[in-house]
Amino acid sequence: EVQLVESGGGLVQPGGSLRLSCAASGFTFSSYWMQWVRQAPGKGLMWVSRINRDGSSTSYADSVKGRFTISRDNAKNTLYLQINSLRAEDTAVYYCARVYDISGYYQGCDYWGQGILVTVSS
Amino acid sequence: EIVMTQSPATLSVSPGERATLSCRASQSVSSNLAWYQQRPGQAPRLLIYGASTRATGIPARFSGSGSGTEFTLTISSLQSEDFAVYYCQQYNNWYTFGQGTKLEIK
Repeated sequence: EVQLVESGGGLVQPGGSLRLSCAASGFTFSSYWMQWVRQAPGKGLMWVSRINRDGSSTSYADSVKGRFTISRDNAKNTLYLQINSLRAEDTAVYYCARVYDISGYYQGCDYWGQGILVTVSS
Repeated sequence: EIVMTQSPATLSVSPGERATLSCRASQSVSSNLAWYQQRPGQAPRLLIYGASTRATGIPARFSGSGSGTEFTLTISSLQSEDFAVYYCQQYNNWYTFGQGTKLEIK
């Protein structure tokens, strides 16, 4: 059974940092691109970042570029999101998600973690 | 950035009836469109990709159509578990989601 379990969230002051982790199991983690998607309270979904299979290629939404860093450790089957210089508007549930692709072409995210809440407040 | 606009914001339908949800892109996304279902307190669930292909395990009552800028998700006979929020997502040029349509029981 595919499982994605996020951890590392919590309450942080503006300007602070957190590192989110996503532990993957039930599939060959190194064979999949991965993404982070967030959802502010009561709001819709927003793509945050993606990473390729070996971690050599990363991309970010403009609103987080330069502050967030996605990475992965395939030996540990774990995805990370380092989030720095946090702002109130970063308050959200952060989901890690497995990318479903067909012959290398993105088709959506077929498995999602349960999400982890990050609250930025003084 | 490609803006995705979903309509209506809320749709009230009786169980057993058909629901039709719309999604419009600000520019063509070809068929690079997915639909997700999100129940309260849960993560999103992939329903449709490639605008019209059902994901693994998705019941046949869910169908997607459209290409370019206009897309539709149809649920043919609503079951109680289908009342949720639905999001479209384009992946033709990076990734953007619509604001969601809440499907509620009439």
